[in-house]
Amino acid sequence: AQSVTQPDIHITVSEGASLELRCNYSYGATPYLFWYVQSPGQGLQLLLKYFSGDTLVQGIKGFEAEFKRSQSSFNLRKPSVHWSDAAEYFCAVIEGSQGNLIFGKGTKLSVKP
Amino acid sequence: DTEVTQTPKHLVMGMTNKKSLKCEQHMGHRAMYWYKQKAKKPPELMFVYSYEKLSINESVPSRFSPECPNSSLLNLHLHALQPEDSALYLCASSPYRVTNTEAFFGQGTRLTVV
Repeated sequence: AQSVTQPDIHITVSEGASLELRCNYSYGATPYLFWYVQSPGQGLQLLLKYFSGDTLVQGIKGFEAEFKRSQSSFNLRKPSVHWSDAAEYFCAVIEGSQGNLIFGKGTKLSVKP
Repeated sequence: DTEVTQTPKHLVMGMTNKKSLKCEQHMGHRAMYWYKQKAKKPPELMFVYSYEKLSINESVPSRFSPECPNSSLLNLHLHALQPEDSALYLCASSPYRVTNTEAFFGQGTRLTVV
């Protein structure tokens, strides 16, 4: 079965600092990978996705992620964090042919002034 | 229209009540999903409907009963729930067997069982 691991439960960064959230996947073939963001009590918003092709993926809100097959990783980055980026971030992978998602445990991002 | 609409946004119900959660999308998606999310946890898949037929049931207790009356609607009927069923219930949809696209999520229904 496929899985994703987010090693960091909680990260705190200063506003304006750079950010990298880690995600590792377990799958033999090329996985379909996603990053979603969730504000408290809200649904999930897609930040970006990777299916194939260019391994550096650009998303919304200034986020990007890089797919590295050799490291089984799909880390999320942002060069300058804003206070509004404080939220829970989930890495996810599609499992099977039904399109259902398997989520990592999430990383909570706090932004300090 | 890329919205998935869930109603109600909040629901408080007693353990003997019967209630239903509703989800609607008008994107022509033929796969629809229910996820359950407990506090500080990731969403967990409950059910998948493909072309209005139940295709995945992740061993969910029978007190949760899904229904897909047409290609735009997905319901989750609730009966005799327990307090531990309190959670955020998320609906999502995606094009069926089109794997190079993402699932679209609704804002969820916050369910409290008292």
